[in-house]
Amino acid sequence: DVHLVQSGSELQKPGATVKISCKVSGYTFTDHYIYWVQQAPGKGLDWMGLIDPEDGEAIYSANFQGRVTITADTSTDTAYMELSSLTYDDTAVYYCATDSLTDNWFDPWGPGTLVTVSS
Amino acid sequence: EIVLTQSPATLSLSPGERATLSCRASQSVGSYLAWYQQKPGQAPRLLIYDASNRATGIPARFSGSGSGTDFTLTISSLEPEDFAVYYCQQRANWPPGLTFGGGTKVEIK
Repeated sequence: DVHLVQSGSELQKPGATVKISCKVSGYTFTDHYIYWVQQAPGKGLDWMGLIDPEDGEAIYSANFQGRVTITADTSTDTAYMELSSLTYDDTAVYYCATDSLTDNWFDPWGPGTLVTVSS
Repeated sequence: EIVLTQSPATLSLSPGERATLSCRASQSVGSYLAWYQQKPGQAPRLLIYDASNRATGIPARFSGSGSGTDFTLTISSLEPEDFAVYYCQQRANWPPGLTFGGGTKVEIK
């Protein structure tokens, strides 16, 4: 079975940087992309970026370009998403997802990590 | 950027009724469209990919159709567990763009 385990909830101050992890199991980490998606409270889904763990190449959404960095550690089968210059609008659940079950689509998803930005 | 517009925003129906959800793209996405279901407090789940293919384990009451700019998700007979929010998503112009629609909430009437 494919599993994605994300790091725990975070409380951050405005202007800070948060780094969230997503550890995968049940498939070969380097065979599939990892995606990151933001969901603000009561809002829809916003794709942030993706990484190819095989070569470490990341592609970012224009909405987050310059503030987001996605990396992958093939020694631990873990992907990371770092978001800088946090504002109150970054309070959201952040999901990682892979396309290991259905090529090129978000399947399956991790459980999500809540990031709260508060002074 | 390709914009996906979902309608209606909210659909109020009773169990056993048929649900028809729409997703319209601002430009053609071919068949590169998926549908996801999200229940409160849970991560989304893939239902339909490539416009009309059911993902593994998805019941046959869910079906997708369309191509180009107009797509439909149909739930033939609503079960109690189907009341949720549904999102469409396209991958036609990636990299770099992968976009989601704003969602349709299917609620109990």
